[in-house]
Amino acid sequence: EDQVTQSPEALRLQEGESSSLNCSYTVSGLRGLFWYRQDPGKGPEFLFTLYSAGEEKEKERLKATLTKKESFLHITAPKPEDSATYLCAVQASQAAGNKLTFGGGTRVLVKP
Amino acid sequence: KAGVTQTPRYLIKTRGQQVTLSCSPISGHRSVSWYQQTPGQGLQFLFEYFSETQRNKGNFPGRFSGRQFSNSRSEMNVSTLELGDSALYLCASSSGVSGGETQYFGPGTRLLVL
Repeated sequence: EDQVTQSPEALRLQEGESSSLNCSYTVSGLRGLFWYRQDPGKGPEFLFTLYSAGEEKEKERLKATLTKKESFLHITAPKPEDSATYLCAVQASQAAGNKLTFGGGTRVLVKP
Repeated sequence: KAGVTQTPRYLIKTRGQQVTLSCSPISGHRSVSWYQQTPGQGLQFLFEYFSETQRNKGNFPGRFSGRQFSNSRSEMNVSTLELGDSALYLCASSSGVSGGETQYFGPGTRLLVL
């Protein structure tokens, strides 16, 4: 069974204090790993898709990396508007269709 | 392009009733997936429809069902509601043509069962 574990569960940062979020996964062949951001009461907002180990993607203060067992989301010099829950999900190559298996998320609070 | 839309945004029902939720995907997208989000279980996959056919199904009881129309709009139905069905129901769309595609989520329908 596919499994995704995110750590830490919660993270409190001062504005400008860089940090990393971890997503460990076990999947029967990785088709894709996805990062989303979710604000309270809203649907997840797409951030990145990673397909193979060694791949990296960047967007503003966020950078996602992928190895064969885990992915990291690095937040550089965060601002209060980066406060959100960050969700990691995997799609298995043996799964029919587009089923995503999600981790529990990391709640990030950035204080000014 | 307009994003994924879901209606209604909020619903209050009582135990034993049934409910139907609607999802309109991004124009041109043919795959619609449904997820349930609760504080205890997180985001869990319900089912996916592609070209009016269910392509995959999660581990939910038969009370949860869905369908997709020829214009790719999708509905999900929950019969005989239980208190534990209170959740945020999210719909996501993608082109559906190949695996590994990004899914784009709607704002969700918040269901409260009393």
